[in-house]
Amino acid sequence: DTGVSQNPRHKITKRGQNVTFRCDPISEHNRLYWYRQTLGQGPEFLTYFQNEAQLEKSRLLSDRFSAERPKGSFSTLEIQRTEQGDSAMYLCASRTGANYEQYFGPGTRLTVT
Amino acid sequence: GENVEQHPSTLSVQEGDSAVIKCTYSDSASNYFPWYKQELGKRPQLIIDIRSNVGEKKDQRIAVTLNKTAKHFSLHITETQPEDSAVYFCAASSGGSYIPTFGRGTSLIVHP
Repeated sequence: DTGVSQNPRHKITKRGQNVTFRCDPISEHNRLYWYRQTLGQGPEFLTYFQNEAQLEKSRLLSDRFSAERPKGSFSTLEIQRTEQGDSAMYLCASRTGANYEQYFGPGTRLTVT
Repeated sequence: GENVEQHPSTLSVQEGDSAVIKCTYSDSASNYFPWYKQELGKRPQLIIDIRSNVGEKKDQRIAVTLNKTAKHFSLHITETQPEDSAVYFCAASSGGSYIPTFGRGTSLIVHP
């Protein structure tokens, strides 16, 4: 499968724990986006990378959230001290620099108990 | 920042009918407008997009129209089929990063 992949697909954690998600974009895509989607809503932008540089961060991204893309390939999103309000689907998407179309991964569903 | 409104939230049609979903946006700088289809439990997938230098684009049974002056754009699906049943999201974006602001989605139900 040469599409965007995300791991894990599901994560259940207790409130206060830290979690980390991974996104592997399509190999030639140098732009990478993270979104959060809750039931009945469209995806909400969290952060954007061009190669390894994090160029944009949403105001939604509190200081408990951090994202990295150390070598300009895969990316990780970490949530520290999780809260019940963090329960959502976390989506990753990637694209080339020449094309606006974003390709989404299958998402990681986070449940905070 | 950009604000995208999408209507209706639910649309129920009979197979073979047409379906129209409408979106408005607030930022006149927005210049790229994608539409995504998301089936239950699946990832969003781009079905059609339009740039601000074009007023209409068509791909088989799907078309999108854009009115830059009024800041609204619409998705038209003709000859609907049960497999068209899904949630459809519109989005608007601009700038070098093309970060989309999504609408809240329209749940389209096509009855056989």
